[in-house]
Amino acid sequence: KNEVEQSPQNLTAQEGEFITINCSYSVGISALHWLQQHPGGGIVSLFMLSSGKKKHGRLIATINIQEKHSSLHITASHPRDSAVYICAVQFPIDQFYFGTGTSLTVIP
Amino acid sequence: DGGITQSPKYLFRKEGQNVTLSCEQNLNHDAMYWYRQDPGQGLRLIYYSQIVNDFQKGDIAEGYSVSREKKESFPLTVTSAQKNPTAFYLCASRNRGLGQPQHFGDGTRLSIL
Repeated sequence: KNEVEQSPQNLTAQEGEFITINCSYSVGISALHWLQQHPGGGIVSLFMLSSGKKKHGRLIATINIQEKHSSLHITASHPRDSAVYICAVQFPIDQFYFGTGTSLTVIP
Repeated sequence: DGGITQSPKYLFRKEGQNVTLSCEQNLNHDAMYWYRQDPGQGLRLIYYSQIVNDFQKGDIAEGYSVSREKKESFPLTVTSAQKNPTAFYLCASRNRGLGQPQHFGDGTRLSIL
């Protein structure tokens, strides 16, 4: 069974704090994606990782293929970062499996 | 601007009715997907299509049907056989191939009257 687990489920931070969201998966994958879902429901793709680390602005994503684990970091968090962050794993058959999401609230 | 358009944003259905959710993309993507999102659960795959006139069932296809007559369009019909249709439905598309990200629509929220 393809399991994707995220932690924490909910996270509240003060503006400026460093934030880490974790994702673990149970079987080998082709790639891992981090997504952001805003309150209106729309989803935006943040990163695609197959190895190593990627950075975009204040967001950093890492993956350890051997440990089947990925982290999403947000530096200098801001209230506009408040959203649900979703980890999704991709398999060669073009299918994706999704974690349940981490709901982040950043307080000014 | 290229993107995916889902309509309507909110949809209400009476018991026993079939309803169709629209998904249109102008990104020239081959693959299209329908997901269902329920509170506390990850997105679950209903159907996906990798090419025109072909589609495959996902994990929760029962009570749903799709068609893919055009590359741009992948409508989802929620039939009366779907006993618990109240949910948020998301459509996505992508270029086929390793690592290609999915592009998502803004979703349709379906409720039962």
